[in-house]
Amino acid sequence: EDQVTQSPEALRLQEGESSSLNCSYTVSGLRGLFWYRQDPGKGPEFLFTLYSAGEEKEKERLKATLTKKESFLHITAPKPEDSATYLCAVGPQAGTALIFGKGTTLSVSS
Amino acid sequence: DGGITQSPKYLFRKEGQNVTLSCEQNLNHDAMYWYRQDPGQGLRLIYYSQIVNDFQKGDIAEGYSVSREKKESFPLTVTSAQKNPTAFYLCASSVTGISYNEQFFGPGTRLTVL
Repeated sequence: EDQVTQSPEALRLQEGESSSLNCSYTVSGLRGLFWYRQDPGKGPEFLFTLYSAGEEKEKERLKATLTKKESFLHITAPKPEDSATYLCAVGPQAGTALIFGKGTTLSVSS
Repeated sequence: DGGITQSPKYLFRKEGQNVTLSCEQNLNHDAMYWYRQDPGQGLRLIYYSQIVNDFQKGDIAEGYSVSREKKESFPLTVTSAQKNPTAFYLCASSVTGISYNEQFFGPGTRLTVL
């Protein structure tokens, strides 16, 4: 069964304290892995797409990496405005629909 | 300024009522999707459409209906058969329905049953 698991469920950081969020997946062939940011009461905002193991993408303080079994979202020197829920989704080889994880809620305090 | 709009932002439904949630996109995307989001759960797919006049059931289609008469529009009706409709509803679109295309989301509609 295709599955996406995100960990931890919640993460509290001090401003400037770097850390990583994990997204592990089990799918029958991967077409793409997607990261989104979601603020409370709003729709998810697209961040990155990764297509193959070894690929990396960066945007400001965020860097996403991909292996054959998992993806990491590295947050370097986070600021309070980085506080949000981060969602991971995979596009399996078979079918159309993306499979979403439950998300990691990040809180950054100053 | 391209994007996805959803209306209304908040919607209240009485028992036994059908309600319709609007979703419009001006991104010229072929595929559109409806998801339901509940606290502590991932996004669950209700319906999706890869092209005009065609749509397929997702994982939790019971109690919902959709139409796709125009490329830009994909309304969702929550019927009285949906026993637990209180949730946050998200509409999304992508260039095509192939799963290597990223999906872009609207701002959501929060539905509450009174």
